[in-house]
Amino acid sequence: TQLLEQSPQFLSIQEGENLTVYCNSSSVFSSLQWYRQEPGEGPVLLVTVVTGGEVKKLKRLTFQFGDARKDSSLHITAAQPGDTGLYLCAGVLSYNFNKFYFGSGTKLNVKP
Amino acid sequence: EPEVTQTPSHQVTQMGQEVILRCVPISNHLYFYWYRQILGQKVEFLVSFYNNEISEKSEIFDDQFSVERPDGSNFTLKIRSTKLEDSAMYFCASRGLETQYFGPGTRLLVL
Repeated sequence: TQLLEQSPQFLSIQEGENLTVYCNSSSVFSSLQWYRQEPGEGPVLLVTVVTGGEVKKLKRLTFQFGDARKDSSLHITAAQPGDTGLYLCAGVLSYNFNKFYFGSGTKLNVKP
Repeated sequence: EPEVTQTPSHQVTQMGQEVILRCVPISNHLYFYWYRQILGQKVEFLVSFYNNEISEKSEIFDDQFSVERPDGSNFTLKIRSTKLEDSAMYFCASRGLETQYFGPGTRLLVL
C-alpha cells in the first residue's frame, strides 16, 4: 500500500474546466510538496505547504493542506492545454525527515 | 535561482559495466537524495544522505549501489555492475528546510 494515495490517476478534460487532484494519507506529514513533471524531465516544484489548513495560490492553481496535515489538494481553475502534465505530491513524515514519500501521480490532459 | 545539476544527461552502457552518475546539489543544502523512475512508472526513492553518511535506503538500494560525497560539492551514485533493469531516469535531489529540489535527471540505458 502507498503511504500517499493520489487521485485520480488520469484526468482528461476540456480547456476551461476546473479540476481537483487529491493526495491522502493516514499518516501525519511535516510538509507536503506538489510537483509537475514533463516527460523525460525532473519534477519541478510548484509549492510546499507546511501548516495545517494552509492555502496557497499560484495563479490558477490553489493548494490546500488539511487541518490534520494528512492530506492535500490541488485545484486548477479554468484549465489550459499548457497545464497538461504529470502532477505529483510528495511529503516528509513528521517523525522521519530522511525520506520523501511520493504519490503515484495524476496524469492531466487538457484538450483545446 | 540555485538549482541542482546532474551529469551526464544521458548514459548508455553495457550490462555488467560500472556507471557513476554525478550531481551537484544546492550549495547550502544538507540532505541529499537519489531517486529513480523507470519509464512510465512512479518516482522511487533509492537513498538519502546526511552528514556524510547514508541516513536511509530502500530495498532497491542493494550492494550494487553506493553513494559518495567526494568533495564539498559533488554527490555521486555508483552502480557497480549494471543490469538491464537498471535502465531508468535517475534523479538527484537536495533539501533545504522543508522543500526538496530535483535535478533534471540522467537517463541511463543498459544494453
